[in-house]
Amino acid sequence: DAGITQSPRHKVTETGTPVTLRCHQTENHRYMYWYRQDPGHGLRLIHYSYGVKDTDKGEVSDGYSVSRSKTEDFLLTLESATSSQTSVYFCAISEEECRGLTYEQYFGPGTRLTVT
Amino acid sequence: QQQVKQSPQSLIVQKGGISIINCAYENTAFDYFPWYQQFPGKGPALLIAIRPDVSEKKEGRFTISFNKSAKQFSLHIMDSQPGDSATYFCAASRRGETSGSRLTFGEGTQLTVNP
Repeated sequence: DAGITQSPRHKVTETGTPVTLRCHQTENHRYMYWYRQDPGHGLRLIHYSYGVKDTDKGEVSDGYSVSRSKTEDFLLTLESATSSQTSVYFCAISEEECRGLTYEQYFGPGTRLTVT
Repeated sequence: QQQVKQSPQSLIVQKGGISIINCAYENTAFDYFPWYQQFPGKGPALLIAIRPDVSEKKEGRFTISFNKSAKQFSLHIMDSQPGDSATYFCAASRRGETSGSRLTFGEGTQLTVNP
């Protein structure tokens, strides 16, 4: 999984509780992304980061926040979890683009989150 | 708005046959089209990718065909094997100045290759 770890791998939590998922990379890549995967929707981008402390919203950002204080770590926080946030969450990384115009994103193993 | 549409949802192929998965996109600014393979319990893994300046790219048994005018691209798996049984996702992205390559994914195709 290209030097990407996610923690926890599984979590069950109750509605209304805060939850933080962690993505850690050892590749020193500039870009990091959080996606959620749901049946019938493929993967949808939640938030992404283009550098330390530089983040922006993706397609489905409502109810989520992110932080990146170090190159290697990208945190996804659900401030008050809801049942609609039950999903599998994937982190991805990609390196800074250069003349070679590489776009490849590499994905972590995922975190299965269940909100009861 | 679903910008990348993928079909079929599921596909069953006999061993040795050809698997074909199709995708259509709407945003003409997209300039990168990857395919990902995902096994149960794993993250998606990049399989093959194409840019719109070529119409076909082949890597081993996997081929992407790209039709820019029709805004369609497809994945062909030749000599399909049971080990190819997985979920396949097409995706598309447009390079932004600061955003890296934000991928828009299709809905996925569950491929089963029978022995």
